[in-house]
Amino acid sequence: DAGVIQSPRHEVTEMGQEVTLRCKPISGHNSLFWYRQTMMRGLELLIYFNNNVPIDDSGMPEDRFSAKMPNASFSTLKIQPSEPRDSAVYFCASSFRRGSVRDQPQHFGDGTRLSIL
Amino acid sequence: AQRVTQPEKLLSVFKGAPVELKCNYSYSGSPELFWYVQYSRQRLQLLLRHISRESIKGFTADLNKGETSFHLKKPFAQEEDSAMYYCALNLGTGFQKLVFGTGTRLLVSP
Repeated sequence: DAGVIQSPRHEVTEMGQEVTLRCKPISGHNSLFWYRQTMMRGLELLIYFNNNVPIDDSGMPEDRFSAKMPNASFSTLKIQPSEPRDSAVYFCASSFRRGSVRDQPQHFGDGTRLSIL
Repeated sequence: AQRVTQPEKLLSVFKGAPVELKCNYSYSGSPELFWYVQYSRQRLQLLLRHISRESIKGFTADLNKGETSFHLKKPFAQEEDSAMYYCALNLGTGFQKLVFGTGTRLLVSP
């Protein structure tokens, strides 16, 4: 298993452009998390999906950010329009959750390093 | 506010020395805490969780509710322990909603 796969690994773009980050969770996992990591704020949860449904998006910074999970094997995080302060490393993680049983550990991808000029 | 504090950005020790990576938390409920590790050019991965009361790679961590701490310890550091270590708190709002500390870089010198 290749684990959680994120693409691209690096993205450099100019402010105002649309940015789309992609994530393929581990097969069989039904929970997916998007995180953002910055020097100032560390690692922050942006949004959580369970069974492809967004459950908690309270960490999404503003309306310019949106995330979708059209099926169990794919999710996107989109920023439109992008701003320099969005520069960060964005991580995707997945895990398995079964009912009220304690969640399995989250498995992280390699992250996407985003630079907005 | 619910948060995790890792006061040291960098901890530098010699091989064979004891290591203690500090983690303090602020949480009104019953805490569930984790340590994650990221080795150079590798992914962030779970090292241990307090409910398991386990020792992984010689590391242990004990939850001290009185001091609201979950320090990570190892009696004899090895060079391969050099990595970034993150303490995380599960807010437990129905799913594993983790709040991470800012991390401590451990550097073990020969």
